[in-house]
Amino acid sequence: QVQLVESGGGLVKPGGSLRLSCAASGFTFSDYYMSWIRQGPGKGLEWVSYIGFGGSDIHYAESVKGRFTISRDNAKNSLYLQMNSLRAEDTAVYYCARPAETSGGSHFDHWGQGILVTVSS
Amino acid sequence: QPVLTQPPSSSASPGESARLTCTLPSDVDVANYNIYWYQQRPGSPPRYLLYYYSDSDKGRGSGVPSRFSGFKDASANTGILLISGLQSEDEADYYCMIWPSNAVVFGGGTKLTVL
Repeated sequence: QVQLVESGGGLVKPGGSLRLSCAASGFTFSDYYMSWIRQGPGKGLEWVSYIGFGGSDIHYAESVKGRFTISRDNAKNSLYLQMNSLRAEDTAVYYCARPAETSGGSHFDHWGQGILVTVSS
Repeated sequence: QPVLTQPPSSSASPGESARLTCTLPSDVDVANYNIYWYQQRPGSPPRYLLYYYSDSDKGRGSGVPSRFSGFKDASANTGILLISGLQSEDEADYYCMIWPSNAVVFGGGTKLTVL
């Protein structure tokens, strides 16, 4: 079955960096677009970024553009999110999510359990 | 990126129906988009419920009861999630979503209380 397992979260000071990973299994990872979605404490869902099959089709939410970098390693079935210049408002649970259709443009049918990132001094 | 507007809260009694709305900005025509709906219970990731594009192009996720259905109100530029025969387990947060070119957009969510 499809599994998405996030790791790399934790407490970081404002201005610091963190790299999230998402280990995927149970499907052909290289066939699918992948995405990061976050949810601040007590807040709604916010899309962060998505990446195409080979890593060439990449888009970001305005709130993270220039600070976050999404990438993937298809050989390792892994998705990454490099987060730099972190701010308090980046505090959230970060979900790795897979769209139902390989090229995106559809709903997300599989989600990881999420990983908490806390930005605080 | 467009903003999808959802009322922050809604409530209804068991057995009644709940109508949750998702309004698109005036420059984004609801007729052109699949409206996706998710349910999220505390401590869990979102669960996909259904999508609605038109009466001939719609679908529910695996295991989602037929009590959940989607519609559009073109005059209000709004997507609608209708939950009939409310049950206590339907108490949750509900989010709408669209995927226009180069972005994914979620609504702010509606907390549904089953009284």
